[in-house]
Amino acid sequence: AQSVTQPDIHITVSEGASLELRCNYSYGATPYLFWYVQSPGQGLQLLLKYFSGDTLVQGIKGFEAEFKRSQSSFNLRKPSVHWSDAAEYFCAVGGTGGSYIPTFGRGTSLIVHP
Amino acid sequence: NAGVTQTPKFQVLKTGQSMTLQCAQDMNHNSMYWYRQDPGMGLRLIYYSASEGTTDKGEVPNGYNVSRLNKREFSLRLESAAPSQTSVYFCASSEKFPGLGGETQYFGPGTRLLVL
Repeated sequence: AQSVTQPDIHITVSEGASLELRCNYSYGATPYLFWYVQSPGQGLQLLLKYFSGDTLVQGIKGFEAEFKRSQSSFNLRKPSVHWSDAAEYFCAVGGTGGSYIPTFGRGTSLIVHP
Repeated sequence: NAGVTQTPKFQVLKTGQSMTLQCAQDMNHNSMYWYRQDPGMGLRLIYYSASEGTTDKGEVPNGYNVSRLNKREFSLRLESAAPSQTSVYFCASSEKFPGLGGETQYFGPGTRLLVL
């Protein structure tokens, strides 16, 4: 069965600092990987996704993520965080062969200090 | 284009009461999903509908029923609410069932349910 681990429950950064949110997955074949963002009181919105090709994926709002098969990781990065980036971030993994629907991690809450 | 809409936004129930959460999408998507979100648990899939006329259980289906009323609407029913069902419920849709992987899910704003 597929699974996702987001090791950090909370991350605090200063505005303008760089950001990296960690995601490790478990899946037997090539995974489909997603990052979603949830602003307070809102539903989830897709930031980016990976399912083939270039392992560095660009998303919306200046985010990027890198797929590293050897480390089973799909970490989310942003070079300079804005106060509006404060939100909950979810990593998800899906695939074929009966594991179609993505499984979500527990989320990482990003706090941005001015 | 409203995307995915959910009603109600908030609801308070007493133990044993029943209610139906409504979800509709206007994107002509084939697949729809119901999730619950609990603190520290992420999103857990309750039920899904790969296409109109089909529904299947997800990870946590006990205590819930669903109806895919038509292509647009997918409702979630709690027949006898329990305090353990206090949660935030999200409906989502995707253009296709992610059988080939990579389908983006579009989420509604959620329904916050408190069961006393």
